[in-house]
Amino acid sequence: DTGVSQDPRHKITKRGQNVTFRCDPISEHNRLYWYRQTLGQGPEFLTYFQNEAQLEKSRLLSDRFSAERPKGSFSTLEIQRTEQGDSAMYLCASSSQGATGELFFGEGSRLTVL
Amino acid sequence: DAKTTQPNSMESNEEEPVHLPCNHSTISGTDYIHWYRQLPSQGPEYVIHGLTSNVNNRMASLAIAEDRKSSTLILHRATLRDAAVYYCILRPLNNAGNMLTFGGGTRLMVKP
Repeated sequence: DTGVSQDPRHKITKRGQNVTFRCDPISEHNRLYWYRQTLGQGPEFLTYFQNEAQLEKSRLLSDRFSAERPKGSFSTLEIQRTEQGDSAMYLCASSSQGATGELFFGEGSRLTVL
Repeated sequence: DAKTTQPNSMESNEEEPVHLPCNHSTISGTDYIHWYRQLPSQGPEYVIHGLTSNVNNRMASLAIAEDRKSSTLILHRATLRDAAVYYCILRPLNNAGNMLTFGGGTRLMVKP
């Protein structure tokens, strides 16, 4: 297993365009998380899936953001009508069920909105 | 959720021990103490966690104060590859989703 993989690693887009990021978690992990990280800050929680069910969403996840995990495996995070403030690193993590289960993070997808 | 307080940055010399402090004075009895680190241009990675007793693993040791209001991550011999941001995180036992709430962390610089 190669761990959590994210694609693309880098995305540059113009304001107003839509972008989509993909995350492939560790195969036996049923939990998947999206985080956002801006320069100099710690990661901020966006949303969480258990299998295909999206169980929690942060208030940071505005109406322009949507995340899916259709078959309980890979997940996509789409941002519509991007704004310059969306420029950040988008991190995906997965874990197995358990109160203290370790989260495994991918290397992230860096978004730059011009 | 209970909050943690960490120094913004620390410096260490290579091959010397490093003690990274974390204060969590409002910790509750069911909060686990987790440490993650983030190397440059990478996602965070798990380091260690504990509840009440001190813990050791291949990466580090975690020393937890008796009143649990503070903890210390110990790297026994710092290497240049240990230069990273270290996050101390409290994780409630009733956190059904296992979410982690990151603070600003401590940026560790290791001098050769």
